[in-house]
Amino acid sequence: NAGVMQNPRHLVRRRGQEARLRCSPMKGHSHVYWYRQLPEEGLKFMVYLQKENIIDESGMPKERFSAEFPKEGPSILRIQQVVRGDSAAYFCASSPPMGAVGETQYFGPGTRLLVL
Amino acid sequence: DQQVKQNSPSLSVQEGRISILNCDYTNSMFDYFLWYKKYPAEGPTFLISISSIKDKNEDGRFTVFLNKSAKHLSLHIVPSQPGDSAVYFCAASALGNQFYFGTGTSLTVIP
Repeated sequence: NAGVMQNPRHLVRRRGQEARLRCSPMKGHSHVYWYRQLPEEGLKFMVYLQKENIIDESGMPKERFSAEFPKEGPSILRIQQVVRGDSAAYFCASSPPMGAVGETQYFGPGTRLLVL
Repeated sequence: DQQVKQNSPSLSVQEGRISILNCDYTNSMFDYFLWYKKYPAEGPTFLISISSIKDKNEDGRFTVFLNKSAKHLSLHIVPSQPGDSAVYFCAASALGNQFYFGTGTSLTVIP
């Protein structure tokens, strides 16, 4: 049973370019979460998605960032016109459909974005 | 605002002794808490969880304690082993919503 998969593991972009980060959840998981970890900081929630639905995007920057989880294929976090401050590790997590109380999230290995 | 706080950025413990990692939270609506362990260049790995209806949950060498009145939880590792050296994150959620993570505590277990 494969875990959460993220690709690429490392991504280098120049300022102004676009970054596309992909996440394939664990088999049977229908919920996907994206987190960002800046250097020397903890994990910051960005967005929570189900298939074809954004459930909570309260942690997403208002501009340049978008996320989707289509009916088929991986979830994609897209950063347009990247700036140096976007350099961070981006983690995806997945969970099965929520029960009455929070469900454990399982994390992928992360994508390390470096903006030159 | 940091709703989940880990005030000790690092901790060093001798092999075989107990490691105690602490976490404080501010939101009284949090009802589910988790601890994750993270090695460099890897994603966080789920370690242990506790719901607010309990005050203790044990799994092998790992025990999580929850003190709701103090809004405090702790992770005890005993005995500590060198392979436990990692960054530990606590996380909390309310009513099945998003998780809030602490900033992590880096544990070093000295052989």
